[in-house]
This record gives sequence, structure tokens and C-alpha cells, in this order.
Amino acid sequence: GAVVSQHPSRVICKSGTSVKIECRSLDFQATTMFWYRQFPKKSLMLMATSNEGSKATYEQGVEKDKFLINHASLTLSTLTVTSAHPEDSSFYICSARGDSKDTQYFGPGTRLTVL
Amino acid sequence: LAKTTQPISMDSYEGQEVNITCSHNNIATNDYITWYQQFPSQGPRFIIQGYKTKVTNEVASLFIPADRKSSTLSLPRVSLSDTAVYYCPSQSNTGKLIFGQGTTLQVKP
Repeated sequence: GAVVSQHPSRVICKSGTSVKIECRSLDFQATTMFWYRQFPKKSLMLMATSNEGSKATYEQGVEKDKFLINHASLTLSTLTVTSAHPEDSSFYICSARGDSKDTQYFGPGTRLTVL
Repeated sequence: LAKTTQPISMDSYEGQEVNITCSHNNIATNDYITWYQQFPSQGPRFIIQGYKTKVTNEVASLFIPADRKSSTLSLPRVSLSDTAVYYCPSQSNTGKLIFGQGTTLQVKP
């Protein structure tokens, strides 16, 4: 299957700082990328959908000013958690697909810990 | 709104065949059915995808009846390393995957 990478795999930051997470499709062009968060022993919760060159679409209850998403190219999307707080600590996972009928492939996830 | 339902957990022993069934309520005519596997602290891994009848790859088989209201993921001869959470997410009309609680498979020696 297609390969999606995320960087960093783990990050620890202080409360009030911002953290950027990168998601890359390594061997295909991703028209659409998705960002999820997952709490321990819970399922994946979709946060937002980003299409290359367009503004991201956020799910209900997700603050767009807190979780900034950029999808500037067909192989890269970034999620920036601004003014992070301990409750933002979670496992963040991205996925990517080519066109609308393609399979979604997931990145390995990023563990964010906010102290 | 499309939604899937699957058992919360299953136990099995090494070497056995495991079948996990998913109910697909309101699945759209054009939607494919996709299964993912997730290990702790990792992103979901694509296992298999199908539209109808039977699909087989090197790791699993997927059975989909003609009415497409359910699907069954079949894992032949499981090993301890198959212990994971298995998901059959539904799709929204815009192609977003909606994950349920998944099925936690515990393979015992």
C-alpha cells in the first residue's frame, strides 16, 4: 500500500507553546488529507479535512483557530496546535488519499504531551 | 447517515481462523468496504477492501453478501502478533471515514 509519514513521532512541549506536526504522502499525490486525534483506548475522532490549496473543513466542536491546518502541496499537510494545553495531549494521526474513490492510508501517528 | 456496528471484543487462540463481522447500515451504493488494523500507539494499517462477493489478499479475506449490509473479515491461522483493534469504518457522503469503537481481538497462546 501507499506510504504516509508523520513527523515528529513524539513531542513534549510546555503549556502555552505551539507545536507543528507534518504529514507527508511519500509515493503518491494526496488530493485530500485528514487529521484525527485518538485518546487512550478510544477510537479515532476526525478533526478536519484538508484539500490541497483550499482551507480545511473542521468537524463540529474542533476549534479552527487552535488547530491550524495547511495543505500547501499534494504531498504535505501540517497541523499546528497553537497555545497548547495539557488537555491537548493526545495521539494525532493523519491520513491521505488520492482522488475521492481511493483508499485512505494512515500515518504512524504523533504522540503529543503538553506539560 | 451511514454507520457500522461490530463486536467490541473477540478472543481466539493461535492457529485458529478468526471471523469478524461488521454491519453496514445505510451503506451508499458506490462505497467500498475497507478494513483497518491498529496496534497500540500506531496509525491504522490498511488490511483489505472490497465492493461485493469475496476478496482475498496475502493477509486476509473479505466476504460481502449481495445485499452489502454486512461484511466479514477473515483472518486465517492467527498468531499472537494479530492481537490488535480491527475497524470497518463507514463513509460519509463526502468520503470521510467515520470510525466506530472497533473490535479488539486478543489472540492467546
